[in-house]
Amino acid sequence: QQQVKQSPQSLIVQKGGISIINCAYENTAFDYFPWYQQFPGKGPALLIAIRPDVSEKKEGRFTISFNKSAKQFSLHIMDSQPGDSATYFCAASLSRSGNTGKLIFGQGTTLQVKP
Amino acid sequence: NAGVTQTPKFRILKIGQSMTLQCTQDMNHNYMYWYRQDPGMGLKLIYYSVGAGITDKGEVPNGYNVSRSTTEDFPLRLELAAPSQTSVYFCASSYLGWGTEAFFGQGTRLTVV
Repeated sequence: QQQVKQSPQSLIVQKGGISIINCAYENTAFDYFPWYQQFPGKGPALLIAIRPDVSEKKEGRFTISFNKSAKQFSLHIMDSQPGDSATYFCAASLSRSGNTGKLIFGQGTTLQVKP
Repeated sequence: NAGVTQTPKFRILKIGQSMTLQCTQDMNHNYMYWYRQDPGMGLKLIYYSVGAGITDKGEVPNGYNVSRSTTEDFPLRLELAAPSQTSVYFCASSYLGWGTEAFFGQGTRLTVV
């Protein structure tokens, strides 16, 4: 119940295309869903996050879509650029764990954007 | 600001050896975490701390120990290293815990042979 399942494992997109990464969770108590971006040799960095009281959040070319009833959320990268080539992790957290801030991560998606 | 600093960046250990991975942050964050990253597995929480003197186990704590004597430092100790501990280790910190950004260090790549 504490798992977050992420797909696909890898993704190749042409420059200017749309990249879509999906995540699914079981625990309905999760109430914070961030996405982290990781470049080779670096630590993950927060990209965008959403809470379940909204169905969509957009920041520039990055959008999170959230479907509470389906227990799924996804990251859309519009007009994908070669500089977006990185590994993306979805994650989930729950405030009922005593505000520890613990994150449950998905397995990761390696995105390659071809010029 | 340096943010979260981890040392060393790389290390090779022999089976049975021990070592300490260092982590320090200069953001005055109360919440600190140790994760390990394995290919195709995402990041798994090893230990975490919600403040100086307070630590607790995460999802995969076996073979590791931590201490938190100051707000800034959160070292991770490996005793009797095993090949299964070959991984990339990340330290992270956050200001308010849930719902706030976790800042990650650059990682320590550990190989146990």
